[in-house]
Amino acid sequence: AQSVTQPDIHITVSEGASLELRCNYSYGATPYLFWYVQSPGQGLQLLLKYFSGDTLVQGIKGFEAEFKRSQSSFNLRKPSVHWSDAAEYFCAVGASSGGSYIPTFGRGTSLIVHP
Amino acid sequence: KAGVTQTPRYLIKTRGQQVTLSCSPISGHRSVSWYQQTPGQGLQFLFEYFSETQRNKGNFPGRFSGRQFSNSRSEMNVSTLELGDSALYLCASHELAGGYNEQFFGPGTRLTVL
Repeated sequence: AQSVTQPDIHITVSEGASLELRCNYSYGATPYLFWYVQSPGQGLQLLLKYFSGDTLVQGIKGFEAEFKRSQSSFNLRKPSVHWSDAAEYFCAVGASSGGSYIPTFGRGTSLIVHP
Repeated sequence: KAGVTQTPRYLIKTRGQQVTLSCSPISGHRSVSWYQQTPGQGLQFLFEYFSETQRNKGNFPGRFSGRQFSNSRSEMNVSTLELGDSALYLCASHELAGGYNEQFFGPGTRLTVL
């Protein structure tokens, strides 16, 4: 069975600083990997996804993630954080089931941005 | 296009009661999935419906059930509520089942069981 580990429960950064959120996955086959963001009182929004090809994936809102098979990691990065980036971030691995992709989510990392 | 809508947004019930939550997908989306989000267990997949048929089911007891109507709207029902059922219930819709299609999430229904 697949699993996702986000080792950091909370991350605090200053506005303008760079950001890296860690994600490690366990999956027996080629993984389909996702990063979602959840703002307070909102549902999840897809930031980016990796299925195959270029291991550096660009997403919305200036985020990118790099897939490293050797490390089973899919870390999310942003070069300069804005106060509006404060939210909960979820990494997920998708498994094909009955023709759909069912995501298994990590426990999330809460991003706090200091002015 | 309007996004995924969920009603009600907030709900308070007592133990032993049953509850029904509703989800209206984005127009044209025929697949609807449900998730439970709690501080203790995180985000967990409940079930997925496509064309009124349940395609996938997560590891939840039979007290959790769902259905989908011909207009793709979906409901989920929880019977004999327990305190541990307090959670944010998220609904997501996507265009087709089969292959990857981005899921679009609604804002959720916050259920509190007293």
